[in-house]
This record gives sequence, C-alpha cells and structure tokens, in this order.
Amino acid sequence: NAGVTQTPKFRVLKTGQSMTLLCAQDMNHEYMYWYRQDPGMGLRLIHYSVGEGTTAKGEVPDGYNVSRLKKQNFLLGLESAAPSQTSVYFCASSYTSPLPLTDTQYFGPGTRLTVL
Amino acid sequence: EDKVVQSPLSLVVHEGDTVTLNCSYEVTNFRSLLWYKQEKKAPTFLFMLTSSGIEKKSGRLSSILDKKELFSILNITATQTGDSAVYLCAVGANSGYALNFGKGTSLLVTP
Repeated sequence: NAGVTQTPKFRVLKTGQSMTLLCAQDMNHEYMYWYRQDPGMGLRLIHYSVGEGTTAKGEVPDGYNVSRLKKQNFLLGLESAAPSQTSVYFCASSYTSPLPLTDTQYFGPGTRLTVL
Repeated sequence: EDKVVQSPLSLVVHEGDTVTLNCSYEVTNFRSLLWYKQEKKAPTFLFMLTSSGIEKKSGRLSSILDKKELFSILNITATQTGDSAVYLCAVGANSGYALNFGKGTSLLVTP
C-alpha cells in the first residue's frame, strides 16, 4: 500500500505558466482534498471531492481548478500561476463512512511549488 | 466564523521533559477533534477525539477533550529528540466534510 502519493515533489514556475498536480490514493477512499500550507497560516483547504465526478470549493479556491475523473486520482490545476501561489500543497483522502471516521484524513508527502 | 487556536506557537524543551500542547476551538456543530504530527513532510495522524473526558493514549502521547470548555490537550511525557515536530490540531464539524486546522505548535526537543 503506497497510501497517498503526489507528483511532482518540487516545481518552479514562472508567472503565468500553468501546471497540474497529481494526487493518487490506493486506499479506496471516496473523499479527497487539496490543501495549501503557508508559514504562519496553517493548512487551508482549496478544493475537495466526495466522490468520482464531484468537486467542491474550500476556503481558498480562487486561481485553482480540480478534477476527479477516477476515484483514485484528484488533480489540482493552476491555469495562470501567480507568486501568491508559492506554497506547499498537500493532498489528503479519507474514509467514506461512518461518521466521524471520515474526519481521519491521510496526507500525501506534499509538493513544494515556487512561482517566480 | 469557525476558529481553532493552538498554544503555544513554539516550545523548546530538554529531553525527558513533559510537555502539554493546547488546542481551543469555536466551531458550530462540533463533530471531532484530531491531532496530527508533522515532521517536515506529510502530517501523520495521532488521535481523533469525539467524547469529553475519555483519554486517548499511544505510548508516551496522550490526549483528552473537554467539550464543555471547548479545548483539547496533547501530552507528551519523557520527550525524545524524535518528538521534535509541528503538532497540528484540527476540528471537524457536522456542517461539512472539511477539517478546520489550527496554525500548529512547533516543538523542539534538545538533547
């Protein structure tokens, strides 16, 4: 079991470039999440998905898009990167039921993104 | 607005000391409180608490929740240098699927 994996681990972009971060999980979890972590800000939810084909906005969704075409994968896209999107991005997944076990989220190793 | 506040923000102790980390919350329709340990990479799950007064324990780590006073503590006894990490507190609510994270407590254990 690899758990939650993320690719790439590091990336440097120029302002205006686009990229996609890939998250994959092999735990058959229904729920998946994308967070960003910035110094002094803690983890903030960008988007999440409660099942294949569904997505929803989190706390800080602007400038990002997501897709969940397959249950095991959750993609985070930046269409036109900005320096404010320099951050560490974490993907997480969790059980389907019962509550409150769905709150136990398992995290990937993170992607460190720098936008110049 | 939901809020999760951790204290202290950082802490330096000597090996063998006992530490107590605090997490207070103001969350509508509270469902659960979770503790994670983050050592430079992914946060790893420690405990989930849903009921007041029931201690969860794993080795030298323990945690308890007070739903009346809206806080939780994480205790680490006989600290070791391997306990050095950022400890994150998060709260889940019945209003949604997302966890609301605090900013974390950075713990450094010196030899």
